[in-house]
Amino acid sequence: AQTVTQSQPEMSVQEAETVTLSCTYDTSESDYYLFWYKQPPSRQMILVIRQEAYKQQNATENRFSVNFQKAAKSFSLKISDSQLGDAAMYFCASSQGGSEKLVFGKGTKLTVNP
Amino acid sequence: NAGVMQNPRHLVRRRGQEARLRCSPMKGHSHVYWYRQLPEEGLKFMVYLQKENIIDESGMPKERFSAEFPKEGPSILRIQQVVRGDSAAYFCASSPLAGDLEQFFGPGTRLTVL
Repeated sequence: AQTVTQSQPEMSVQEAETVTLSCTYDTSESDYYLFWYKQPPSRQMILVIRQEAYKQQNATENRFSVNFQKAAKSFSLKISDSQLGDAAMYFCASSQGGSEKLVFGKGTKLTVNP
Repeated sequence: NAGVMQNPRHLVRRRGQEARLRCSPMKGHSHVYWYRQLPEEGLKFMVYLQKENIIDESGMPKERFSAEFPKEGPSILRIQQVVRGDSAAYFCASSPLAGDLEQFFGPGTRLTVL
């Protein structure tokens, strides 16, 4: 069974600084995908970034990038130039190839201080 | 293109009543997923449906919970004889294709059982 662990219940960062959110996962599959979702106070789930396990290159979306360490089963999210609008819950998730369901971690609450 | 629609956004039921949660996927999407989010937790997969078919219900409680996605109309998550432990946010997501890497989430229905 897949598991996703986020060890940081809360994190804070100063506006314009960089913050890294941690995520580790466990899977016995070789074909899987990893995601970071953002959940602002509105509770809408928004996909931030995704990574296919077979790709060695780390995914990047504007100010968001990941550090994917396949051997260590680690998938951290780096937010550069943090903005007040980045404040939210961030969930790490995984899915296995051939399975449609997403498995989520418990989330990290990010606070951005002005 | 309207996003995933869920209604109602808030639902209050007394113990023993039935709760019906509706989800209209994005236009052109024929795959629907239901997730439950308990307070202070990540989302937990419940069920995956295609039109008129349940594909994966491995996350559904064995009793009182059912889901459908008819040929016409929204997907329905039905909870019979609700108990206080059913209080949670229920999210629906949709995707256009099987194996599509992105699931688009609705705003969720917050169920409160008194």
